[in-house]
Amino acid sequence: GIQVEQSPPDLILQEGANSTLRCNFSDSVNNLQWFHQNPWGQLINLFYIPSGTKQNGRLSATTVATERYSLLYISSSQTTDSGVYFCAVRDDKIIFGKGTRLHILP
Amino acid sequence: DAGVIQSPRHEVTEMGQEVTLRCKPISGHDYLFWYRQTMMRGLELLIYFNNNVPIDDSGMPEDRFSAKMPNASFSTLKIQPSEPRDSAVYFCASRGSRAGNSEAFFGQGTRLTVV
Repeated sequence: GIQVEQSPPDLILQEGANSTLRCNFSDSVNNLQWFHQNPWGQLINLFYIPSGTKQNGRLSATTVATERYSLLYISSSQTTDSGVYFCAVRDDKIIFGKGTRLHILP
Repeated sequence: DAGVIQSPRHEVTEMGQEVTLRCKPISGHDYLFWYRQTMMRGLELLIYFNNNVPIDDSGMPEDRFSAKMPNASFSTLKIQPSEPRDSAVYFCASRGSRAGNSEAFFGQGTRLTVV
């Protein structure tokens, strides 16, 4: 089956810093989503991005489907950005990576 | 739409009891997924349905687990008998299959504790 690898597994940053999270996948997929799991456990949709680049405020994402990777950029990070960021790819079912745990220090 | 709705939000039960988790998908979505999340194993896909038909249940851990989708607006995940190792957060998700509604959305999860 499709393998999804995320890096880094853990990231600790000072408030205001920028970060780049990476997602590699092993095969062609129909779609890709980024989620944020907040400290209360909710999975929040960030981006639905099979290819190209999208931006939403301080967050942006780029997927290069032909090279099988996606990047999530967080700029000017805030403490509320803390949590786990998941990449999920899809052919029919949705397959998750193990996530990147982000800690933003005040 | 109110999003994917799961109930209960929390469940504490004794080992050996039957547990039923419920999910209402987003209207118009024809795919429904059940996931389990633990610290050790992360997010695992248990089973998914398309048009109320189970497509892949290879992630269901054992015969104690069963899932049904009697109609397009309701699904259950049942554990009988429950064991302490079933303690986890169980998520339900849904998505559509047409262009413009194929983004997946998750419910708030059910935190199950088996004592």
